[in-house]
Amino acid sequence: EVQLVESGGGLVKPGGSLRLSCAASGFTFSSYSMNWVRQAPGKGLEWVSSISSSSSYIYYADSVKGRFTISRDNAKNSLYLQMNSLRAEDTAVYYCARDKTQRDAFDIWGQGTMVTVSS
Amino acid sequence: QSALTQPASVSGSPGQSITISCTGTSSDVGGYNYVSWYQQHPGKAPKLMIYDVSNRPSGVSNRFSGSKSGNTASLTISGLQAEDEADYYCSSYTSSSTPIFGGGTKLTVL
Repeated sequence: EVQLVESGGGLVKPGGSLRLSCAASGFTFSSYSMNWVRQAPGKGLEWVSSISSSSSYIYYADSVKGRFTISRDNAKNSLYLQMNSLRAEDTAVYYCARDKTQRDAFDIWGQGTMVTVSS
Repeated sequence: QSALTQPASVSGSPGQSITISCTGTSSDVGGYNYVSWYQQHPGKAPKLMIYDVSNRPSGVSNRFSGSKSGNTASLTISGLQAEDEADYYCSSYTSSSTPIFGGGTKLTVL
């Protein structure tokens, strides 16, 4: 079964750090670009970051640039998001998503992991 | 870059057809045929319904169709069913090589 499973979410104080992980299974992970998308409580979807299949191309939303770092380990079929200098506005469910077409069609999503930034 | 513009809500009765619009600019929707649509039920992850403007992934009902004219893309759902009640989001590839999402549309089946 094609699947993405996120982990690593939790409660963190403003200014703190958290590392999210996304474990892929059921497909050739190394062939796909991967993304992180977040959704604040009661709000819409916001793209956060993307990484190409070989990590050659990495992009970030302006809202997280300089604070978040995306990475992947194709040998471990895993995607990561290191989040530093966290702010209250980073509170959201974070989803990892596979890009089907290399042009931002996200066909496989994880179940999401909740990140809460609060003192 | 601002989010793509979608109506906050639309509604329709079972069996009817509805259309959700998604308006962007020439730097995103109008510049590329890379518009996607997602369905999201409460508490669930989004599901890809349409990609590349009008393509349906395997397993998605042919009641869902997509189109584009200029800077506006549209999702049409025909033969509305109760299970279609959900939030719908459009997204587009952009000139920055990154995606942008719409604000979302809540579909209510009356």
